[in-house]
Order: sequence, then C-alpha cells, then structure tokens
Amino acid sequence: GAGVSQSPSNKVTEKGKDVELRCDPISGHTALYWYRQSLGQGLEFLIYFQGNSAPDKSGLPSDRFSAERTGGSVSTLTIQRTQQEDSAVYLCASSFEGYSNQPQHFGDGTRLSIL
Amino acid sequence: AQSVSQHNHHVILSEAASLELGCNYSYGGTVNLFWYVQYPGQHLQLLLKYFSGDPLVKGIKGFEAEFIKSKFSFNLRKPSVQWSDTAEYFCASRGGTDKLIFGTGTRLQVFP
Repeated sequence: GAGVSQSPSNKVTEKGKDVELRCDPISGHTALYWYRQSLGQGLEFLIYFQGNSAPDKSGLPSDRFSAERTGGSVSTLTIQRTQQEDSAVYLCASSFEGYSNQPQHFGDGTRLSIL
Repeated sequence: AQSVSQHNHHVILSEAASLELGCNYSYGGTVNLFWYVQYPGQHLQLLLKYFSGDPLVKGIKGFEAEFIKSKFSFNLRKPSVQWSDTAEYFCASRGGTDKLIFGTGTRLQVFP
C-alpha cells in the first residue's frame, strides 16, 4: 500500500517568505509526527498529533512554526518569515497509534533551502 | 531532557568485516528502543526495535542489537557487512512520552 507522502520534495525560497509543507499519512494511521533533519544535527522532533487530542508542540523551535492536521489525516507544517537556519529536511511520520509498540513510518521528506 | 548518543559519526569498513555501532540513551524508566536506517536517496526505515523481553533483538538483513539496561546501551551489530549496507543509521528511544528521540546518526561506508 501507499506509504507516507510528502510534498513538495524540494523547496527553495527566499529568506522572509512563508512556506507550507504537506504530509499525507498512511491511511488509518492515527498518529502523525513532524521532524527536522539538519546537517550534522540528527533528527529533531517538532510536533505530534494523535487522534483528536491536543497536539504536542513542544519541539517547535519558535512561534514562526505551526502545524495543523485537518480531518485527522493530512497535515501541513507552516514556517513563517523563513530564516536561513530553517534550511533542513523536514520529515513526516505516521503510526497506527501514537503510543506503545507501533513503529513510525517515514516519508521521503521535504528538502527546504532558504536563500 | 532525554537524549540519545551515537558515538561513531562515520564508520568505514571493508566487506565481510564485523560491525558494531554504539548507542546510549538517557531515560531511566521503561524505554522503547529503535534502530532506523536511511539508504542513499531513500526514506528512513525501521531496522529493529526493542520493547520488552529478550534483550537480544534480531532485525532485518542480519542486523541485531542488544539492550543492556545497566549500561543504558542498545548497540547495533552485524557479523559480516555488505556493500549494500552503506547507509546512515539512527538510534532512537521513546520513554515516558510518545516522542522519538533520535541520535545524530552514524554514516557507514562499506567498500568492496
């Protein structure tokens, strides 16, 4: 079946612009995660959605970052007034449940480059 | 805050050599542990996971990892690597929350 789908695969934009990154999780997966993979920094947790519960936003690095998940499926990560340090690969993952023994399935990521 | 340390940033091996990648986690309670692999140009894939039971976990492609609670370690091993194992390997832990905490990754290069 289809895996986690992210779009666009690459995004180049100028500093100060807003960007939107999209994630389509695996159908039926109730949990959705956003991570950021920066060069030399490893993977960094950003935000987590589980069903109808309030999202865990503890990993968002600043108030320029926000995310929503509409209808419990597709999620959009928005970065406002982008900065060069926002350049990274943004990864989305989903799992059947957000807890216990369910592994996360990752998308291919969106490579974001801020000029 | 929880953390995961991967001490080997870049490992270079010849085919048939044995592999051990170190991973240490910090969470002191009940913990789930994972190794993910990212082959060149591909997305992250789960290699193996530990939740409970036998501390020696077998994964795909001949990989295994041993959970040693007293050492807070979950090292990845493979007796004989292949060129196709060239990839980046990430250790991750999950304890007390739903968040996966990742290490910074180890880049493995295997030469034929």
